[in-house]
Amino acid sequence: EIVMTQSPATLSVSPGERATLSCRASQSINKKLAWYQQKAGQGPRLLIYGASTRATGVPARFSGSGSGTDFTLTISSLQSEDFAVYYCHYYNDWPLTFGGGTKVEIK
Amino acid sequence: QVRLQESGPRVVKPSETLSLTCTVSGVSVTNTDYLWTWVRQPPGKALECIGYIYHSGTTNYDASLKTRLTISIDTSKNQFSLTLRSVTAADTAVYYCARAYYDFWTGYPDHFDPWGQGTLVTVSS
Repeated sequence: EIVMTQSPATLSVSPGERATLSCRASQSINKKLAWYQQKAGQGPRLLIYGASTRATGVPARFSGSGSGTDFTLTISSLQSEDFAVYYCHYYNDWPLTFGGGTKVEIK
Repeated sequence: QVRLQESGPRVVKPSETLSLTCTVSGVSVTNTDYLWTWVRQPPGKALECIGYIYHSGTTNYDASLKTRLTISIDTSKNQFSLTLRSVTAADTAVYYCARAYYDFWTGYPDHFDPWGQGTLVTVSS
């Protein structure tokens, strides 16, 4: 089973600043990685798939990068609606696995 | 617009059976481009995909739940369902249903979109 490790667990950022979230796989996963945003009381929302492809309707301030074992989600200028929990997700095999999440909070 | 909505009891007694249904709108569950998945999140823990089903009825389950879990599909109602038998407190979680894109090369799910809003199921006497 591939283990996905996200860091940091919590990220404190001021509105307008840049946020960089990391996700590391326990072995190479090519680019079979997605990022989701989750707000309280809601199901996760797809942001990025294939490591770097933005999903339909996702603002351009969200970008994904990386390959192999190390991946990054960058939010270029945080808006108030971006404060949430973010999960990475590996999906090229079974079992599929998720990272433990990074909570982006207001500084 | 594609929507998924979970429904079912919020409280289940230990040793009994947990049953949830996911009602899909905006797309047919017979569409060959998709798989239909269940994901759960125990309190304070990570998301875990516990299984999925294809329109043909082909399923795949998490190894640790395989003996207790059944996922089924009802194409006439455009729904799919989860049945988890002999539950314990460890099965307390928010349960989500989600649509997954089907990777024709691997036969496995690709990314998930959209998700239902989730339903908290508590196992308690």
